[in-house]
Amino acid sequence: GAVVSQHPSWVICKSGTSVKIECRSLDFQATTMFWYRQFPKQSLMLMATSNEGSKATYEQGVEKDKFLINHASLTLSTLTVTSAHPEDSSFYICSARVRREKLFFGSGTQLSVL
Amino acid sequence: GQQLNQSPQSMFIQEGEDVSMNCTSSSIFNTWLWYKQDPGEGPVLLIALYKAGELTSNGRLTAQFGITRKDSFLNISASIPSDVGIYFCAGQRYNNNDMRFGAGTRLTVKP
Repeated sequence: GAVVSQHPSWVICKSGTSVKIECRSLDFQATTMFWYRQFPKQSLMLMATSNEGSKATYEQGVEKDKFLINHASLTLSTLTVTSAHPEDSSFYICSARVRREKLFFGSGTQLSVL
Repeated sequence: GQQLNQSPQSMFIQEGEDVSMNCTSSSIFNTWLWYKQDPGEGPVLLIALYKAGELTSNGRLTAQFGITRKDSFLNISASIPSDVGIYFCAGQRYNNNDMRFGAGTRLTVKP
C-alpha cells in the first residue's frame, strides 16, 4: 500500500511552546491530507482537511489559530500546535487519500505537553 | 459529525476462535473500509469495499458491504495473538472528503 510518513513519533514539550508535526506521502502525490486527533481508547476525530495550495478546512470546534496547517507541496502537510497546553496532549494522526477513496495513515505522533 | 455505530466495543476471545464485528449507519455510504490499529501506531488498511453486497477476503479476514449500503461486517477466522488491536470501520461517500469512523472494537486474544 501507499506509504505515509509522519514525524516525529513522539514529542514532549513545555507548556507555551509550539510543536510542528510533518506528514509526507512518500510514493504518491496527495492533493488532500487529513489531520486527526485521538484520545486514549477513542476513535479518530477529524480536525481538518489540508488542501495543497489553499487554506485548510477545519472541523467545527477546532481552533484554526491554535492548530496551524500548511500544505505547501503535493507530498507534505504540516500541523503546528501553537502555544501548546497540557490539554493539547494527545495522539495526532495524518492521512492521505489515494485512488478509489482509499485512505492511508501515518504512524501517528504522541504529543505530551508538560 | 455523525460517527458510525460499531459493535462490539471490545472482545476477549481464545486463540483459534472466530471473531465478528460490524458497523451500521443511518446514512448510505459508497465505500466501506476496515482498519486495524496497534498501540501507538496509525491505522493500517485491511480491506476496502466498493459495491453493495461485495464480499472481500484478505487472508483470514473477510468483510462484506451490506446490501442496504448502511452496514458492513468484518470476520476474523482462527484468531491468533497478533490479531490483538483495535479495529475501526470507516465509511465514505462519493465526492466527499469526509470519512466517518466507528468507535472501534478492541480485540484481545488469549493464547
